[in-house]
Amino acid sequence: EIVLTQSPGTLSLSPGERATLSCRASQSVSSSYLAWYQQKPGQAPRLLIYGASSRATGIPDRFSGSGSGTDFTLTISRLEPEDFAVYYCQQYGSSPRFGQGTKVEIK
Amino acid sequence: EVQLVESGGGLVKPGRSLRLSCTASGFTFGDYAMSWFRQAPGKGLEWVGFIRSKAYGGTTEYAASVKGRFTISRDDSKSIAYLQMNSLKTEDTAVYYCTRLVVVTAPAAYWGQGTLVTVSS
Repeated sequence: EIVLTQSPGTLSLSPGERATLSCRASQSVSSSYLAWYQQKPGQAPRLLIYGASSRATGIPDRFSGSGSGTDFTLTISRLEPEDFAVYYCQQYGSSPRFGQGTKVEIK
Repeated sequence: EVQLVESGGGLVKPGRSLRLSCTASGFTFGDYAMSWFRQAPGKGLEWVGFIRSKAYGGTTEYAASVKGRFTISRDDSKSIAYLQMNSLKTEDTAVYYCTRLVVVTAPAAYWGQGTLVTVSS
């Protein structure tokens, strides 16, 4: 059973700053099956990145994903006010698993 | 436009049953796998299970936490996916989301708004 650990738990940043979120897996994950989601309070998650580095439809290019094996990263190049939210990584495919989430809050 | 609307949530006592529905529109329902996820209050996301399209056998898979208690089914003629939940426990309290998957090994690009299930005596 793969366990995904996200860090940090909370990231306090200002608009315009760069955000770097980490997702570490307990065993190797095929890059084809690693996704990132954004969730705002009271809303369903929104798919941002799939296949570790491919942006989903309509996602701004300030969001980028990278990594392979057990270490993956979501980068938001310049935070916009609407980007303050909780972000989850997910290993999808058989028995999908999520990390515990990283909250990006306004400093 | 793809739309997924969950319904059927509510307050239920431990040990009882509840059936959730996910009504889909804006796409050919029968061509897609459907998956259910849940999120306990203030907690993270958890996969519940999925059902393949008929083209892939219409078979189901479940998370260990619900296997044997929950059943996913589909009615392609009505474009509805169901989540039958039996022997409910207090730890099943969560917002339940249905999602559309191209195939079960795909990420969830489309989500419903969720329906809250509260299991309490």
